[in-house]
Amino acid sequence: GESVGLHLPTLSVQEGDNSIINCAYSNSASDYFIWYKQESGKGPQFIIDIRSNMDKRQGQRVTVLLNKTVKHLSLQIAATQPGDSAVYFCAETGAPGNQFYFGTGTSLTVIP
Amino acid sequence: DTGVSQDPRHKITKRGQNVTFRCDPISEHNRLYWYRQTLGQGPEFLTYFQNEAQLEKSRLLSDRFSAERPKGSFSTLEIQRTEQGDSAMYLCASSLAPGPMGNTEAFFGQGTRLTVV
Repeated sequence: GESVGLHLPTLSVQEGDNSIINCAYSNSASDYFIWYKQESGKGPQFIIDIRSNMDKRQGQRVTVLLNKTVKHLSLQIAATQPGDSAVYFCAETGAPGNQFYFGTGTSLTVIP
Repeated sequence: DTGVSQDPRHKITKRGQNVTFRCDPISEHNRLYWYRQTLGQGPEFLTYFQNEAQLEKSRLLSDRFSAERPKGSFSTLEIQRTEQGDSAMYLCASSLAPGPMGNTEAFFGQGTRLTVV
């Protein structure tokens, strides 16, 4: 399958700081990207998505940036809180609603 | 609770036994996905359905695995002659098929953790 990878397996940030989680993908035909948050023992939780015809999308405290030129995706979390501690996955697919591929994940730890 | 539900949450079985998991998607969702996740890894695609039709099955999926969605609502995933390597979290997700806007997020259940001893 397609290769979706994350630059850093772990990330520690101070509470209140901004967090940036990066993701690289290899399939230039990927059309739809999703960020998921997964807490221990739970299923992945949808955070935000973006289509390939966009380069930025904002949600509540989160922003996703897409750079198709270098096939790079990032998730920015503003004013990181202890409840943000989790593993974050990026996932991509050739078309929304089709099966999507996940990367390994980045473990975010927020230090109070 | 109107989210995706999976049953059981945990299953311990002896090697060689058959196991079956159930997934109830969000009611209006016509797409249903099965994923497998091992510790420290991202979810790995197994198969997905649109209504009752199985649209795609991973080439990595052993013949011991079979999934059904007979009425286009709930789905079952069966593993025959389980092996220790089958130990993992089995995740189900559901979504709407793409509409005019194309965007459709998939919502995951809490998963079924399988341990084969």
